[in-house]
Amino acid sequence: DIVMTQSPDSLAVSLGERATINCKSSQSLLHSSNNKNYLAWYQQKSGQPPKLLISWASTRESGVPARFSGSGSGTEFTLTISSLQAEDVAVYYCQQYHTTPPWTFGQGTKVEIK
Amino acid sequence: QVHLQESGPGLVRPSETLSLTCTVSGGSISSTSDYWTWIRQSPGKGLDWIGSVHFSGRTYYNAPLKSRVTISVDTSKNQLSLILSFMTAADTATYYCARLVGMYDSSGHYKGLGYFDLWGRGTLVTVSS
Repeated sequence: DIVMTQSPDSLAVSLGERATINCKSSQSLLHSSNNKNYLAWYQQKSGQPPKLLISWASTRESGVPARFSGSGSGTEFTLTISSLQAEDVAVYYCQQYHTTPPWTFGQGTKVEIK
Repeated sequence: QVHLQESGPGLVRPSETLSLTCTVSGGSISSTSDYWTWIRQSPGKGLDWIGSVHFSGRTYYNAPLKSRVTISVDTSKNQLSLILSFMTAADTATYYCARLVGMYDSSGHYKGLGYFDLWGRGTLVTVSS
């Protein structure tokens, strides 16, 4: 199984500042047939289900603010919130879909306001 | 707009069997490309994929749970279900149903299953005597 490891486990960022979350996979998520990275990012606010933010490592879902961006390739990926807003307080998860089953998630990164 | 809603008991006794249902509204569970999935989240913990089912009945299960879990669909009711036997305290969690998206390339060729684009609100199941 592919193991997903996120860092840090939590971070506190001032409003308007940048938040950076890292995700590392135990195997490459880059598919040779289409040169795409099979990685998604989710946001889970307190008491709510996860919400899909980004697929293919960098493709924002419809309606997701442009301040959210995904980058990286192979085994190392980053979710960046360019200017943290109060409504971005949440736990963020990465998930791989390169080698399945099983579909596996990172342990989550909690983002708070400093 | 497709909506998913989980239902079932909030409390289960140790060693008993859990039965949950997820009702899909605003769309058909008989999608040829998508799978329907159960994912759980223990209190304060991360997300664990339990298993996924296609309307045809084809299933994928997470290996550690495979001996205890059955996931099925009822296309006439537009529902999927989860049965998890021999429940223990370790199974206490919020159980979510979600849609697992089938992926296609630009030529329309099927490329497998990807990410979870729709989620229900979840239902908390506590295992306690």
